[in-house]
Amino acid sequence: QVQLQESGPGLMKPSETLSLTCAVSGDSISDYYWSWIRQSPGKGLEWIAYLHSTGSTKHNPSLEGRVTVSVDTSRHQFSLNLTSVTAADTAVYYCARHGATTVDIDLFDVWGPGTLVTVSS
Amino acid sequence: DIQMTQSPSSLSASVGDRVTISCRTSQSISSYLNWYQQQPGKPPKLLIYAASRLHSGVPSRFTGSGSGTAFTLTISNLQPEDFATYYCQQSWDTLQFTFGPGTKVEIK
Repeated sequence: QVQLQESGPGLMKPSETLSLTCAVSGDSISDYYWSWIRQSPGKGLEWIAYLHSTGSTKHNPSLEGRVTVSVDTSRHQFSLNLTSVTAADTAVYYCARHGATTVDIDLFDVWGPGTLVTVSS
Repeated sequence: DIQMTQSPSSLSASVGDRVTISCRTSQSISSYLNWYQQQPGKPPKLLIYAASRLHSGVPSRFTGSGSGTAFTLTISNLQPEDFATYYCQQSWDTLQFTFGPGTKVEIK
């Protein structure tokens, strides 16, 4: 059974770069697309970016190029970097798997428990 | 980006009730609509995908319908574990997936 686990800094200061990692166990990281999603009281659920081990990536245009995502297949993990954080980036950050079904639709069928990132001076 | 709205934002219901939640999108998304349930302190859990297909392991009291811009999630015979917040999510625009603001189902 696939499991995801996020890890991150917890508390950050404005202007720093957020780095998060998602460890994947129980499944091949190369077989799926993976996403980062965050949830804040003010903005609800917000998709950040997706990636694949082939190098295919896409990020939310609203994040104005602050996002970099990468995958390390040898370590069975993928990562998110978000530059120049502000208080508005305070949220619970989730990693999630794009599930595979008989219908060609992107869906998030497995989620990590989430990690809270607080940006405060 | 595709805007999502849900109604109501919250509702109160009793065990055994039938509950209906609406999701609307700012443009047609065919059937590229998924529904999630979130319990407090937990990540969202996939319930319905492609508007009406039940995800594996999800009880049959959950049903989804709709296409285009109007979608509905119905919970029949509401159970205690169904009190949660429900979100819709569109996958039509794969350059920017978006979620609805959520509907909180509370105990009456």
